[in-house]
Amino acid sequence: EADIYQTPRYLVIGTGKKITLECSQTMGHDKMYWYQQDPGMELHLIHYSYGVNSTEKGDLSSESTVSRIRTEHFPLTLESARPSHTSQYLCASSEFERQYFGPGTRLTVT
Amino acid sequence: RKEVEQDPGPFNVPEGATVAFNCTYSNSASQSFFWYRQDCRKEPKLLMSVYSSGNEDGRFTAQLNRASQYISLLIRDSKLSDSATYLCVVNMVGGSYIPTFGRGTSLIVHP
Repeated sequence: EADIYQTPRYLVIGTGKKITLECSQTMGHDKMYWYQQDPGMELHLIHYSYGVNSTEKGDLSSESTVSRIRTEHFPLTLESARPSHTSQYLCASSEFERQYFGPGTRLTVT
Repeated sequence: RKEVEQDPGPFNVPEGATVAFNCTYSNSASQSFFWYRQDCRKEPKLLMSVYSSGNEDGRFTAQLNRASQYISLLIRDSKLSDSATYLCVVNMVGGSYIPTFGRGTSLIVHP
């Protein structure tokens, strides 16, 4: 099994709060990704990284930001949470085109 | 036109049935192909890679048709536990490429 972790697993937070979703992998993968997925809907790529100090925006416009200071760590930050940010956020890393997903963070903004 | 297209279903089949899904892709230069399985409210997990010559893993068979630009997944002797969403993933080989996911095909296996 892949060693990729996400915390918190569940988060309920009020509008306007700043939040950081954590993602770590111990496999030494250079590529990492953040996806947003609503229940029963498709995955949307919101950010990705080719390696340290590399970050790119994905297909879905997002008000979040990411950083990649260390290979193993790829946190996602929402500066001011809104109810429209309520969703599941999935982190992944990849080696040789195969992706490994973390368990996800289910975010609810009230 | 989306780069990777799948019929969202749901496919409703009885236990023991054989069911097949197709996934079409638009980029003829695509080089790597995968099927992932995603259970409700869980993360996607790799089911199998798809090789040019086709490959089989137990009850699951994956095939690639480069000429028609589609991949397929065949499930034989369906089990209740096969109920899930099956995601098709297409990618290029190389450092700068990002995988493209289909929207998934929902399978419901009933008793």
